[in-house]
Amino acid sequence: GNSVTQMEGPVTLSEEAFLTINCTYTATGYPSLFWYVQYPGEGLQLLLKATKADDKGSNKGFEATYRKETTSFHLEKGSVQVSDSAVYFCALSDRGGGFKTIFGAGTRLFVKA
Amino acid sequence: SQTIHQWPATLVQPVGSPLSLECTVEGTSNPNLYWYRQAAGRGLQLLFYSVGIGQISSEVPQNLSASRPQDRQFILSSKKLLLSDSGFYLCAWSGGDDQPQHFGDGTRLSIL
Repeated sequence: GNSVTQMEGPVTLSEEAFLTINCTYTATGYPSLFWYVQYPGEGLQLLLKATKADDKGSNKGFEATYRKETTSFHLEKGSVQVSDSAVYFCALSDRGGGFKTIFGAGTRLFVKA
Repeated sequence: SQTIHQWPATLVQPVGSPLSLECTVEGTSNPNLYWYRQAAGRGLQLLFYSVGIGQISSEVPQNLSASRPQDRQFILSSKKLLLSDSGFYLCAWSGGDDQPQHFGDGTRLSIL
């Protein structure tokens, strides 16, 4: 079945550091891939998405490229801010997946000033 | 634009009491609807999803139930709450099976 594996946290960085959060997936079909962000006490918000191989999703300085050959969708940001502190979830949704989105376990990011 | 409303934001209930959490979506029709639970510091657990009025799929056997009495209304219920039902409950909707999900602000449920 479909699955998503993302790097365990927490990840602690200093402000302006480079961020990478790794995400790999297993899917039987051709999934769409997503990154969601959850700030403390809130629901999840869609951060970015990619719907086919080699697509790059981007938003608010974050980027992720859909790599079919490595089944990966790593999240990157060139310079993090304290306000980026949150939990990040990688997810996939597949037309053959029965209307369900598969979420990774989440990676908590702390950014220090 | 579409919006999702979830209430209440916070709820404290005694063990054995009933539960009703409500979620409504505006600005779209025939959405897929979802209920998730998130334990503190943990990932998401899909509880129920619905692709239409009266159509409910259960992912985890437990003492919770869900209903969809109207196209854009999704209700999570329990007749008798357990301590293990504590958590952060999230409602979400999507426009299709490979579309992103859009989440409500969540209900933090504490069982005493």
